[in-house]
Amino acid sequence: RKEVEQDPGPFNVPEGATVAFNCTYSNSASQSFFWYRQDCRKEPKLLMSVYSSGNEDGRFTAQLNRASQYISLLIRDSKLSDSATYLCVVGRNTDKLIFGTGTRLQVFP
Amino acid sequence: DAMVIQNPRYQVTQFGKPVTLSCSQTLNHNVMYWYQQKSSQAPKLLFHYYDKDFNNEADTPDNFQSRRPNTSFCFLDIRSPGLGDAAMYLCATSRGDREADTQYFGPGTRLTVL
Repeated sequence: RKEVEQDPGPFNVPEGATVAFNCTYSNSASQSFFWYRQDCRKEPKLLMSVYSSGNEDGRFTAQLNRASQYISLLIRDSKLSDSATYLCVVGRNTDKLIFGTGTRLQVFP
Repeated sequence: DAMVIQNPRYQVTQFGKPVTLSCSQTLNHNVMYWYQQKSSQAPKLLFHYYDKDFNNEADTPDNFQSRRPNTSFCFLDIRSPGLGDAAMYLCATSRGDREADTQYFGPGTRLTVL
């Protein structure tokens, strides 16, 4: 079993739709959680950190459920420019981060 | 204001011909990482440096080596590239003042092996 699991998608949604991604992690000692965005043939870029209290950045909302060991990302009012792969990333008590394989989102007009 | 710079962006080499990829950072971060990413896969950590301390991943082949001559620069040497080493190579940095910290990636070097 992979340490970080995501539905690879693709999620195909129309502009303006709301879309949600989930991610599960297996190690209960995990302590840092992130969503990264990766465009085709580009590097991953930090989208947002995820906190236990949940956090929101504009149209993006991230939630963490430690009891169930899952992380979610909600995107409201999807834009064409949101089309990308979203990587769920988890860290433990080391310098290393564990990356999921990503969920691909395609927003169409 | 490039913060993590990788050179070259595209590298073509021949089977078995050594190649060196370069990464530099202007963030003054303590930790530098090298990842290998193949199509539709997660970035795979090869090794990282905390300052001058080298940390190799258990499953990184001996064919891959790294050097960090100073805080700003880190190199990835592939001694004898095989066809299976064709991938995107990503360099990343983090402050290192707390565990599991945010990592910042360079634009990557796409390696082709002929």
